[in-house]
Amino acid sequence: EPEVTQTPSHQVTQMGQEVILRCVPISNHLYFYWYRQILGQKVEFLVSFYNNEISEKSEIFDDQFSVERPDGSNFTLKIRSTKLEDSAMYFCASSAWDGGTEAFFGQGTRLTVV
Amino acid sequence: GENVEQHPSTLSVQEGDSAVIKCTYSDSASNYFPWYKQELGKRPQLIIDIRSNVGEKKDQRIAVTLNKTAKHFSLHITETQPEDSAVYFCAASIEGGGADGLTFGKGTHLIIQP
Repeated sequence: EPEVTQTPSHQVTQMGQEVILRCVPISNHLYFYWYRQILGQKVEFLVSFYNNEISEKSEIFDDQFSVERPDGSNFTLKIRSTKLEDSAMYFCASSAWDGGTEAFFGQGTRLTVV
Repeated sequence: GENVEQHPSTLSVQEGDSAVIKCTYSDSASNYFPWYKQELGKRPQLIIDIRSNVGEKKDQRIAVTLNKTAKHFSLHITETQPEDSAVYFCAASIEGGGADGLTFGKGTHLIIQP
């Protein structure tokens, strides 16, 4: 069964550093998402991406964040100048089409900012 | 934007009994309501979903009901088993709304007592 894959599984970074989280969505999917889950809390929507541009973004997704699809397979989330409160599990997801079709989640990248 | 409330935050039931988790949503435009199961340290996985054109959907021991007028939907698990222990998240989104992300509830920690 096809799945969304994310690398790395765990990233430790110093406060103020930049990190790039990587995702390979399911190959025939068109919509890509990043979500964040702070430990013990709910999953929060960050951004959606379609046709090589951001489709929607939440209040969390400020200028510190950016997304990119640098090639035909990868989808990345860049966090500039990380803060302690950026520590969370970051999930990538993809869906075949928008909104109401099943979103498949990757296994997540645990980001720890120290 | 959409707001999803979920209750209870923790639910403990005896093995073999039924469990019910309830969610309400605020945006009447939402028309897609998935439920995700998340085991500790793992990715959210879709277990069942419902669209606003139906009132109930069932898949073996799991069922979901939707009341569009009241803007609430519920997950029902019958004959609970130890492997049902997990955190369950409800979510809402707009199908065909242009890659709107899922808005999740805060989750319910379901504990199955042997």
